[in-house]
Amino acid sequence: QSALTQPASVSGSPGQSITISCTGTSSDIGGYDYVSWYQQHPGKAPKLMIYDVSNRPSGVSDRFSGSKSGNTASLTISGLQAEDEADYYCSSYTSSSTLRVFGGGTKLTVL
Amino acid sequence: EVQLVESGGGLVQPGRSLRLSCAASGFTFDDYAMHWVRQAPGKGLEWVSGISWNSGSIGYADSMKGRFTISRDNAKKSLYLQMNSLRAEDTALYYCVKDKHFILTGGTFDYWGQGTLVTVSS
Repeated sequence: QSALTQPASVSGSPGQSITISCTGTSSDIGGYDYVSWYQQHPGKAPKLMIYDVSNRPSGVSDRFSGSKSGNTASLTISGLQAEDEADYYCSSYTSSSTLRVFGGGTKLTVL
Repeated sequence: EVQLVESGGGLVQPGRSLRLSCAASGFTFDDYAMHWVRQAPGKGLEWVSGISWNSGSIGYADSMKGRFTISRDNAKKSLYLQMNSLRAEDTALYYCVKDKHFILTGGTFDYWGQGTLVTVSS
């Protein structure tokens, strides 16, 4: 069982917006602004999409945005495109002895 | 261009050891913390271990403590993971990952290698 909780799957049609939630505790998401999101296409390495809750690395589309409220972080993808279909993972720094935790991953299907 | 190339994976019997290596290029290696993250077949991501820029701070996931040892050689721009007492549940693709920062506090994994597969089976 993963330390952070994500929905197993979400779906949306091209052009729509979707939001993926990631729920933790006050020891991780709620305690630090060190939440990041990763996109992984089948057979590929993960790619950083959002860091420090809401920052986008250079080269990542502004259709991707992140936010946090309490112990829950969210990734929103607007204007869905076919190439957005992938697995998405959230991650957070944690005060526990395991310094980093991931969510179980969310499979995004573009209908 | 940042490149991280893992090596050392393979088939190993339960209880045996394996040493993974990661060769880094395209950035100033000793300016950044580094990590190992693994992914079991068909499963999600799991942080394994991390090491700060100067090896002064090291961390492990609870299930790896006492069995795995992370190290780095800044002169060789290389990251290592010594894995002992391997178990079937350690079977996974092991990724070498660059941190955005030089210390372990925070934790943004900004570049990933392609991974090296470790299979633990008799």
